[in-house]
Amino acid sequence: QVQLVQSGAEVKKPGASVKVSCKASGFTLSSYYMHWVRQAPGQGLEWMGVVNPSGGGTIYAQSFQGRVTMATDTSTNTFYMELSGLRSDDTAVYYCTRSITDWGQGTLVAVSS
Amino acid sequence: EIVLTQSPGTLSLSPGERATLSCRASQSVTNSYLAWYQQNPGQAPRLLIYGVSTRATGIPARFSGDASGTDFTLTISRLEPEDFAVYHCQQYGRTPYTFGQGTKLEIK
Repeated sequence: QVQLVQSGAEVKKPGASVKVSCKASGFTLSSYYMHWVRQAPGQGLEWMGVVNPSGGGTIYAQSFQGRVTMATDTSTNTFYMELSGLRSDDTAVYYCTRSITDWGQGTLVAVSS
Repeated sequence: EIVLTQSPGTLSLSPGERATLSCRASQSVTNSYLAWYQQNPGQAPRLLIYGVSTRATGIPARFSGDASGTDFTLTISRLEPEDFAVYHCQQYGRTPYTFGQGTKLEIK
């Protein structure tokens, strides 16, 4: 069955970068649009961007452009998201999703000095 | 970008009652690509409805979705205890794939 297993929680200092992984099983990443969505504490969901399975092209939400990179590693069937220049308001749970149907368990990224 | 506004922010009802949740889009949603999710505390969202009105696999028939222009509705016909959660709408027809701010359905 489809599974998305994300890496563990991270604590980072302001200005640092974080890389979150999403290991896929039960399907091939290169056949599906893959997204990252985040949720700050007590807040709603915020779409961050998507990777196109055909050619690996990316579309990022404007609020993350220049700070985020999303990519897939087909050799390990793993999806990654790297966010740089972290600020305290980047503290959130980050989810990877397969299309709109399947979600990872979430990864808490806490940014604090 | 398409802004989705959900109402009410909190809905207090009793088990067995009917729940109607609203999601209004600031402009037309391409191809009726509107989804609803249910989220319980500490868990990832779960897809309930896609394409405005199609139930996802395993979703009970008491959940239904509808639309009138740019107004979208999620109806839960008869509330079960496990239905009390937060509900999110999302449009996925045009990037950025925006979400509403959520409606919390709580036990009265």
